[in-house]
Amino acid sequence: DIQMTQSPSSLSASVGERVTITCRASQSISSYLNWYQQKPGKAPKLLIYGASTLQGGVPSRFSGSGYGTEFTLTISSLHPEDFATYFCQQSYSTVVYTFGQGTKLEI
Amino acid sequence: EVQLVESGGGLVQPGGSLRLSCTASGFTVNDNYMSWVRQAPGKGLEWVSVIYSGDRTYYADSVKGRLTISRDNSKNTLYLQMSSLRPEDTAVYYCARVHKSPYYFDYWGQGTLVTVSS
Repeated sequence: DIQMTQSPSSLSASVGERVTITCRASQSISSYLNWYQQKPGKAPKLLIYGASTLQGGVPSRFSGSGYGTEFTLTISSLHPEDFATYFCQQSYSTVVYTFGQGTKLEI
Repeated sequence: EVQLVESGGGLVQPGGSLRLSCTASGFTVNDNYMSWVRQAPGKGLEWVSVIYSGDRTYYADSVKGRLTISRDNSKNTLYLQMSSLRPEDTAVYYCARVHKSPYYFDYWGQGTLVTVSS
């Protein structure tokens, strides 16, 4: 199975800062990488699919990049509502989908 | 408006069984790929199972042989039949719609909690 590793596991930042979260795949997954945001007690929400395509309604301060085995999620200027946990997910294998372990973004 | 509503969670003893339901509105379950994802308390997301057209199904190794995904077209509902439950199956279970090509989980339910404990 394809393993997904996120770093860091947690991150402290301030409103207005730029932050980057990294996700690495154990093998090449082309651009089949998705990012989700989850707030406490809520279901995950799709942010980005295909490594870099923003889901409708997601603010443009979110961006994704990468190809192959290394990917990044960047928030250009943190808003208070962005403090949440972020997960990457590979969809290269559609037999076994895999999530990263998550990155908790804290104030 | 697309909506997914899970139900059926609760407390069950180890070795017991439970059936989760996920009722959809705003789209037809049978025309879409659907998945279950779970999250143990304080932990990350774990993919559980997916059902494709022709009722092709796939499972995570951790649940293979114990959990079964299915759907009822007449009720527009996705199911997860859970048997031989273990304490490590304790989690919030989410159903999600799988967007086709590229594949991603675009709509999620609110989740239902399953607790396996004696």
